[in-house]
Amino acid sequence: GAGVSQTPSNKVTEKGKYVELRCDPISGHTALYWYRQSLGQGPEFLIYFQGTGAADDSGLPNDRFFAVRPEGSVSTLKIQRTERGDSAVYLCASSLTATSLNTGELFFGEGSRLTVL
Amino acid sequence: DAKTTQPNSMESNEEEPVHLPCNHSTISGTDYIHWYRQLPSQGPEYVIHGLTSNVNNRMASLAIAEDRKSSTLILHRATLRDAAVYYCILRGRNFGNEKLTFGTGTRLTIIP
Repeated sequence: GAGVSQTPSNKVTEKGKYVELRCDPISGHTALYWYRQSLGQGPEFLIYFQGTGAADDSGLPNDRFFAVRPEGSVSTLKIQRTERGDSAVYLCASSLTATSLNTGELFFGEGSRLTVL
Repeated sequence: DAKTTQPNSMESNEEEPVHLPCNHSTISGTDYIHWYRQLPSQGPEYVIHGLTSNVNNRMASLAIAEDRKSSTLILHRATLRDAAVYYCILRGRNFGNEKLTFGTGTRLTIIP
């Protein structure tokens, strides 16, 4: 289908390792979001891109987390020196334009489940 | 961001209507009311949104109180596939305020 694609679907790593999670948004969508969801909680906002630039990174928990979107389409969330507390499902979503300019509908992927041992 | 309050869980019988409440007493005049739902092992999906008037679409109806301090998502005839966590979210209309802030939602269980 033409939905939001996230890879890998599952990632198991050891404490202290570096991890990259990839998001391929719906073609033509300029807005891209990363969220993190822990068990039993709602999704927690991490970062929002409009085009290539990070327009709002206020949700990134610390400087171990970084995200890029160099060509305005695919985005990579990078986590350095992973900790057990980083274990969660990382969700990516895209929207045709900035949500304030449209219906506000975000299209989510199925997420990447990260487990840090 | 203005907060929303939802019951943690609800149950409903299959093929009966379901009314999911949401309180948002601090809503501002420019906030939209959005509903998303999350099926097991999937990302959230958009259900419906509104500003002041009641709204209908193929998935559900949204009833908004006259003072806008509460709203109700209505599933007209629940099926087992409607078992999910339902999130009520307020979204500002100001350009630059683009993120949706999710709470913990209401876990809806459908009884066959």
